Amino acid sequence: AQSVTQLDSHVSVSEGTPVLLRCNYSSSYSPSLFWYVQHPNKGLQLLLKYTSAATLVKGINGFEAEFKKSETSFHLTKPSAHMSDAAEYFCVVSDREDQAGTALIFGKGTTLSVSS
Amino acid sequence: DTGVSQNPRHKITKRGQNVTFRCDPISEHNRLYWYRQTLGQGPEFLTYFQNEAQLEKSRLLSDRFSAERPKGSFSTLEIQRTEQGDSAMYLCASSLFRSRENEAFFGQGTRLTVV
Repeated sequence: AQSVTQLDSHVSVSEGTPVLLRCNYSSSYSPSLFWYVQHPNKGLQLLLKYTSAATLVKGINGFEAEFKKSETSFHLTKPSAHMSDAAEYFCVVSDREDQAGTALIFGKGTTLSVSS
Repeated sequence: DTGVSQNPRHKITKRGQNVTFRCDPISEHNRLYWYRQTLGQGPEFLTYFQNEAQLEKSRLLSDRFSAERPKGSFSTLEIQRTEQGDSAMYLCASSLFRSRENEAFFGQGTRLTVV
């Protein structure tokens, strides 16, 4: 069984400071991992994905995440927050090796607030 | 627009009525997912199709819920005898499933309010 735990329900940062959103996963198989962002009244947008290549994954808008198998973590970071980064962020796991396929399993989300 | 399209965007219904939502996936995508999202929560998996076959259903999908994808293209999600607890955002996503790849693209959702 797969699961995702987002360790913080709410993160507040100042504009220009680093962002860290934490995610731990559990998977019986080799996982694919994703981060999605959801702005108010907009659809979910993929930020980045890990599927077995490089453990450090770069995404859109300056975000990146590092897959650490020993820590079962996939934390999302950004060196310098922008006001437009304020949104809900979801860590997502999928079972990569199961050819019959399992669905994307979402964490409960982390609300990122950015102050000026 | 070549993204995932969901209709209607909003639906208000009285308790006990039936409702049906439609999802049009990205045209070449073979997988189609339905999720439900309530306020302050992450999307919860309901069911998914690979082409026209429904491969998995969540325990969240009670007998009042049924989903179809008759020709492997668009899908419908029907809720019978709606209850107030069914009020949520219903999200559809599609993906082109290949080994080791499964990036899903989401529609903007259908917001259901049961009064």
